[in-house]
Amino acid sequence: GQQLNQSPQSMFIQEGEDVSMNCTSSSIFNTWLWYKQDPGEGPVLLIALYKAGELTSNGRLTAQFGITRKDSFLNISASIPSDVGIYFCAGIAVAGNMLTFGGGTRLMVKP
Amino acid sequence: DAGVTQSPTHLIKTRGQQVTLRCSPKSGHDTVSWYQQALGQGPQFIFQYYEEEERQRGNFPDRFSGHQFPNYSSELNVNALLLGDSALYLCASSWGAGVGTDTQYFGPGTRLTVL
Repeated sequence: GQQLNQSPQSMFIQEGEDVSMNCTSSSIFNTWLWYKQDPGEGPVLLIALYKAGELTSNGRLTAQFGITRKDSFLNISASIPSDVGIYFCAGIAVAGNMLTFGGGTRLMVKP
Repeated sequence: DAGVTQSPTHLIKTRGQQVTLRCSPKSGHDTVSWYQQALGQGPQFIFQYYEEEERQRGNFPDRFSGHQFPNYSSELNVNALLLGDSALYLCASSWGAGVGTDTQYFGPGTRLTVL
């Protein structure tokens, strides 16, 4: 089945540093989504990407939909302690259908 | 504007029992998807309901079944519970089948523990 490879698995950074994580697939996706999940809670949508090549920002977060439709990346600038959590990429291969998730990137920020 | 709600928050069952989890979609949404998230992993798709019918199903056994009601709320039923069914069960809602409208928004989840 389809799988998304997300890297890195975890990051431990200093407050104020920039963060970059990415997601790759062997299959094409028509939508890429980035979610953040805090322990014991549901994923919260951060950014949605609908078009190949699209670059979208949400505050300090920027995400891009890869030209090949097989990858996406998320950048967080000037990290703060509340950025701590697990970030998941997810893709939709066929409009209206299921989400396929990556394995997640656990972000830890040292004040 | 209420987001996706799920009940109960936590549930403890024993092996062999049956469980029903409930979900109310975000206002204006008509499609409900269910996911299972084991500890330390990404969510795995169980199935999706639209117009009170199962539209798509992931790789889960028939012990997992669902239902969608006319008001778009949904239930997930799991029969003959196994220890491996212990997980966070997530409900997500969306309102369309086109690119952009199919973005899914998640509820807080139900933590199921099977002893």
